[in-house]
Amino acid sequence: GENVEQHPSTLSVQEGDSAVIKCTYSDSASNYFPWYKQELGKRPQLIIDIRSNVGEKKDQRIAVTLNKTAKHFSLHITETQPEDSAVYFCAANAGGTSYGKLTFGQGTILTVHP
Amino acid sequence: DSGVTQTPKHLITATGQRVTLRCSPRSGDLSVYWYQQSLDQGLQFLIQYYNGEERAKGNILERFSAQQFPDLHSELNLSSLELGDSALYFCASKSLTGDNEQFFGPGTRLTVL
Repeated sequence: GENVEQHPSTLSVQEGDSAVIKCTYSDSASNYFPWYKQELGKRPQLIIDIRSNVGEKKDQRIAVTLNKTAKHFSLHITETQPEDSAVYFCAANAGGTSYGKLTFGQGTILTVHP
Repeated sequence: DSGVTQTPKHLITATGQRVTLRCSPRSGDLSVYWYQQSLDQGLQFLIQYYNGEERAKGNILERFSAQQFPDLHSELNLSSLELGDSALYFCASKSLTGDNEQFFGPGTRLTVL
């Protein structure tokens, strides 16, 4: 089955700096890669996603890049703000008969210091 | 608010007991997914239903079972509970269209004492 590795497990930055979180996946049939933000005790919320036919996607301060050959994708947050502090999860949705189930990385605790 | 509802919000019970967690998907969504989130295991896929039928299974224990009813709400049944079953349980729903986005409910926090 699909395996998703996420690094780093914790990331601490100063307000205004950029943050990068990286994930690798194992199943070459995976075709959908979402990123979720989860605040303490709350539900995971989708912040950005990318499909396998696209190499990069941007939404304001957030961007995701995908390298299908290397089977890795990354989340980039620019001009970080204290409210970006949360746990971020990457995920992969294997194609074929997986019917959309998501395999998640282990999460990255991002702390943005004012 | 994602449109997905889950009840109860919190559940405290004892080892050996059985509990039922309930999920109502967004209006019109036929797919329901159940995930378990524990401190040491992250978010783990348990099981998926589509329009009443089981479609995919993850690392779900035999003590756990689920079903989706004709009105599309789903229930996750956990029996012979152990301390290690304490976790946040999320359900998510997905639309019928080609969009892959899954919308998560607020979760049920289960504490087994």
